[in-house]
Amino acid sequence: DQQVKQNSPSLSVQEGRISILNCDYTNSMFDYFLWYKKYPAEGPTFLISISSIKDKNEDGRFTVFLNKSAKHLSLHIVPSQPGDSAVYFCAASDGATNKLIFGTGTLLAVQP
Amino acid sequence: NAGVTQTPKFRILKIGQSMTLQCAQDMNHNYMYWYRQDPGMGLKLIYYSVGAGITDKGEVPNGYNVSRSTTEDFPLRLELAAPSQTSVYFCASRQGNYGYTFGSGTRLTVV
Repeated sequence: DQQVKQNSPSLSVQEGRISILNCDYTNSMFDYFLWYKKYPAEGPTFLISISSIKDKNEDGRFTVFLNKSAKHLSLHIVPSQPGDSAVYFCAASDGATNKLIFGTGTLLAVQP
Repeated sequence: NAGVTQTPKFRILKIGQSMTLQCAQDMNHNYMYWYRQDPGMGLKLIYYSVGAGITDKGEVPNGYNVSRSTTEDFPLRLELAAPSQTSVYFCASRQGNYGYTFGSGTRLTVV
């Protein structure tokens, strides 16, 4: 039972354009959502998060949007840069269980 | 500024052998976690701990054991290694609702 789903295994974008990574979840108890970036042979690094009381959070080139009614969130990267090429994981947690549940990841390739 | 340190980085085990994956954090975080990452499967939670002396099972605990005798250390024990445990293992810690801090991983192969 995959509670957090990233249906696109990979995404290719031209440098300077917008990258949009999508994530869907099934558990309505999730109240905090995070995006992680992972390079090969390294651990995931925290990128940006959003609480369920918000619908948008922005940090520089990265913006996360949350649509609670659709149980959907997305990460926008604009403008995309070659250094953004990595695997991006969506993750969700609920305050009651202290667990973080990850999606399967999307490999982003930004072409120069 | 070490963060979360995992050792070893790589290990090859024979079926039936045992080993302990070490994880240490120097941020005084209460919460610590062990995940495994299989190809195309994302990260699956094995065990977690909300503080010294307290541990609980995650999504895929079978074949593993943990202990948390101190705030800093959270070792993961494999008693009888099986090929299905070939994976990359990540330890993480957090405090409050901020993003988790991950170690760089241990790549384990069971042959």
